[in-house]
Amino acid sequence: GQNIDQPTEMTATEGAIVQINCTYQTSGFNGLFWYQQHAGEAPTFLSYNVLDGLEEKGRFSSFLSRSKGYSYLLLKELQMKDSASYLCAVRDSNYQLIWGAGTKLIIKP
Amino acid sequence: IAGITQAPTSQILAAGRRMTLRCTQDMRHNAMYWYRQDLGLGLRLIHYSNTAGTTGKGEVPDGYSVSRANTDDFPLTLASAVPSQTSVYFCASSQGGGDTGELFFGEGSRLTVL
Repeated sequence: GQNIDQPTEMTATEGAIVQINCTYQTSGFNGLFWYQQHAGEAPTFLSYNVLDGLEEKGRFSSFLSRSKGYSYLLLKELQMKDSASYLCAVRDSNYQLIWGAGTKLIIKP
Repeated sequence: IAGITQAPTSQILAAGRRMTLRCTQDMRHNAMYWYRQDLGLGLRLIHYSNTAGTTGKGEVPDGYSVSRANTDDFPLTLASAVPSQTSVYFCASSQGGGDTGELFFGEGSRLTVL
């Protein structure tokens, strides 16, 4: 079956760096997405990786290793507003998105 | 403001009743989707539409139906609601046609079936 694994919850300190990991086993691969979802709100797009390597976008970076079925989202200079759930999703060979359950990130002052 | 509008925002429904969740987008996106989100689970695809006039079944289609009469609207109907359909429902759209596939989500409809 298809599976996306990510930690359920993580805690980090304001101003620090945190890395949220995502491992996947899917039928084919056509890209990996990260979304941010604040409590009670809709998910919003953060990043897209289709080739191996690091994609940087401001304080957020996303890394992909297709051979290892692995990605991480790196958040730098954490702010209180970064408290949210972070969803990893993989697009399979049928171009359907398979979603992880999300990682709830708690930022402490 | 361009985007996706869902209605209602929240609804409590008696089991056995019929319910339609409305979704409208003004971005002229080709593809639209309905997801449900339950605690501890990833978003699960209910139905999708790659273009106006076509629909397809997702991962959890039973008990739900959709229609796509035009580009903008994609309503989701529960013919006879059951308590297991208590969930938060998100409508989403994407440009389609080989783009990155970024999804734009509506604000969600929280449905409670008693």
